[in-house]
Amino acid sequence: QVQLVQSGAEVKKPGSSVKVSCKASGGTVSNYGFNWVRQAPGQGLEWMGGIIPSFNTVKYAQKFQGRVTISADESTNTFYMELSSLGSEDTAVYYCARDISTSWFLFGLWDIWGQGTLLIVSS
Amino acid sequence: ETVLTQSPGTLSLSPGERVTLSCRASQSVSSNYLAWYQQKPGQAPRLLIYGASSRATGIPDRFSGSGSGTDFTLTISRLEPEDFAVYYCQQYGSSPPFIFGPGTKVDIK
Repeated sequence: QVQLVQSGAEVKKPGSSVKVSCKASGGTVSNYGFNWVRQAPGQGLEWMGGIIPSFNTVKYAQKFQGRVTISADESTNTFYMELSSLGSEDTAVYYCARDISTSWFLFGLWDIWGQGTLLIVSS
Repeated sequence: ETVLTQSPGTLSLSPGERVTLSCRASQSVSSNYLAWYQQKPGQAPRLLIYGASSRATGIPDRFSGSGSGTDFTLTISRLEPEDFAVYYCQQYGSSPPFIFGPGTKVDIK
C-alpha cells in the first residue's frame, strides 16, 4: 500500500519561499497524479495544483499561478511544492494527495494523503 | 466555476443518531462526480464516498451517499463515537480547479 510521507514543519519570514516534499513509498507511483491541498487554521480545504510526471502534466489553481511550482523526482518517488512570496495568509497545513486515476489528466479524486506539513509565516 | 454549499454548518448529535448532511452545487455535477471526505482534528482528510454513492475501500456501510445533478446527501445511519468530525463534499472529474464545499462539523451533543 502506497504511503505518502511529507517533510517537517517550517517557519518562514514574509517574502521568502518554502519547498515542501512528499515521498511515496510502499508501491508504484507510476502514472498517478499527485496534488497539493492546503488548509488554513480553522478553515476548509483548497486545491493548489497537481502533477502527473509520466505525462508531463502540471496544473495550478489560478489563485496560485506564478507563485507555486509543483515538481517531481521520479527516481526517488518524491514530489515537491514550492511557494514563493510568502505572506501571513499562507500559514496553513499543506497536504499532498494521490489522484485515484492513472489517466493523462488530473481526475481530482484523492485516495491517499500525506500527514500534512505545517507552514507558519511570521516575521 | 461551480460553487458547493453545505448545510448545516454544524450539527450537535448523540452517538446512535442518524445524520443527514447536504451538499448543493451551483450547477449540475457532471457524471455525479461528487465525493465526500471526513476529516478529524489533526488528521488528513479521508475519502468516504465517490461517484455520489460508492463507498471507498474500507468505509463502513453505515455511511451512504445519494443524490444527482445539484443536490447530494451523505447519511450516517447510526453515529459512532469515531464519526464526530468535519465532512466535506467535493466535485472532481472535470477540469481543474477541484472545488470543496465549506464543510459540516458533526460534534457531540
